[in-house]
Amino acid sequence: GENVEQHPSTLSVQEGDSAVIKCTYSDSASNYFPWYKQELGKRPQLIIDIRSNVGEKKDQRIAVTLNKTAKHFSLHITETQPEDSAVYFCAASIVSGGSNYKLTFGKGTLLTVNP
Amino acid sequence: DAGVIQSPRHEVTEMGQEVTLRCKPISGHNSLFWYRQTMMRGLELLIYFNNNVPIDDSGMPEDRFSAKMPNASFSTLKIQPSEPRDSAVYFCASSFLSGTEAFFGQGTRLTVV
Repeated sequence: GENVEQHPSTLSVQEGDSAVIKCTYSDSASNYFPWYKQELGKRPQLIIDIRSNVGEKKDQRIAVTLNKTAKHFSLHITETQPEDSAVYFCAASIVSGGSNYKLTFGKGTLLTVNP
Repeated sequence: DAGVIQSPRHEVTEMGQEVTLRCKPISGHNSLFWYRQTMMRGLELLIYFNNNVPIDDSGMPEDRFSAKMPNASFSTLKIQPSEPRDSAVYFCASSFLSGTEAFFGQGTRLTVV
């Protein structure tokens, strides 16, 4: 089955700096890579996702890059703010219209943005 | 839509007791997932259903765990008998079958003493 490794497990940055979280996956058939943010005591929520037919996607201060050859993808947060502090999870799955779908998560990165 | 609804939000039970967690997915979603979250193991997929049919239960820890989805709007995760190591937050999530965003419920925090 799919195995997703995520690094680092904790990350502390100063407000305004950038943060980068990296993930690798094992199943070359995986083609969908979402990122979830989980604030303390709350549910995980999708913040951005990327499909294997593109190499990069941006949404304001958040960007995700994908390297299919190396089987790794990364989350980039620029101009970090204290409200970005949370646990971030990467995930990978195989998506094919009408076929089964299973989302495998990395173990998470605790991001702390210091004012 | 109120989103994915889980009940109860918190459950404290004694070792050996039966525990039943409940989930109502978002109307129209046809995939449903049960996850367990702990500090040590992160988010683990226990089982998932497509169109009410269990597809992959390889993540279910042992025979003490069972899950059902009798219809498109309801699923249960049962632990019998419960043990202290089952203490965790259990999340239910749902999505469309095509594999787009998975929406999580607020979770059930289970404590087995």
